[in-house]
Amino acid sequence: AQTVTQSQPEMSVQEAETVTLSCTYDTSESDYYLFWYKQPPSRQMILVIRQEAYKQQNATENRFSVNFQKAAKSFSLKISDSQLGDAAMYFCAYRPTSGTYKYIFGTGTRLKVLA
Amino acid sequence: DVKVTQSSRYLVKRTGEKVFLECVQDMDHENMFWYRQDPGLGLRLIYFSYDVKMKEKGDIPEGYSVSREKKERFSLILESASTNQTSMYLCASSLLHNEQFFGPGTRLTVL
Repeated sequence: AQTVTQSQPEMSVQEAETVTLSCTYDTSESDYYLFWYKQPPSRQMILVIRQEAYKQQNATENRFSVNFQKAAKSFSLKISDSQLGDAAMYFCAYRPTSGTYKYIFGTGTRLKVLA
Repeated sequence: DVKVTQSSRYLVKRTGEKVFLECVQDMDHENMFWYRQDPGLGLRLIYFSYDVKMKEKGDIPEGYSVSREKKERFSLILESASTNQTSMYLCASSLLHNEQFFGPGTRLTVL
């Protein structure tokens, strides 16, 4: 069965510092998509970054970047120059490109940003 | 701007009541999803729909049903609400393999 694991229920980072959130997944598929979503307190979940498995280059979006290690089935999110507005729940998600429309989510990591 | 809306942000119901949660998207997306979100459990898929009148069970469909009569609208129905269905319910839509867009969520309390 396909699974997504986020082993850090909670993390803290000082403002302006860098933090890395971990995500591992298990699949026998060779082609799939990986996502990081952000859910601020009492606000809508939004996409942070997306990675296509066939692309070797790590995705980046401004201060957010990923370290995608396909062989290790690891997909970590790095947040640089952390800001107070980065405080949120972060969910890692996986979706194969064929066979199902389902997305599989991890249990989330709550990120606190300390002023 | 892309939008997914849900009929209520907060809802309080009594045990045994029939509950309707509605979700509307304005992006012409084929796929729509209902999740429940509980602390420590992440998002768990209840049902999803990949076309009008088409639906598939997710991981926790027991006690729920869905309806999709129009492409933009996907309803979640609790036939007889129970206290263990107290939760945050999230609706999402997506276009093929692309990312999901989420609604604001409905926090349902069943007394």
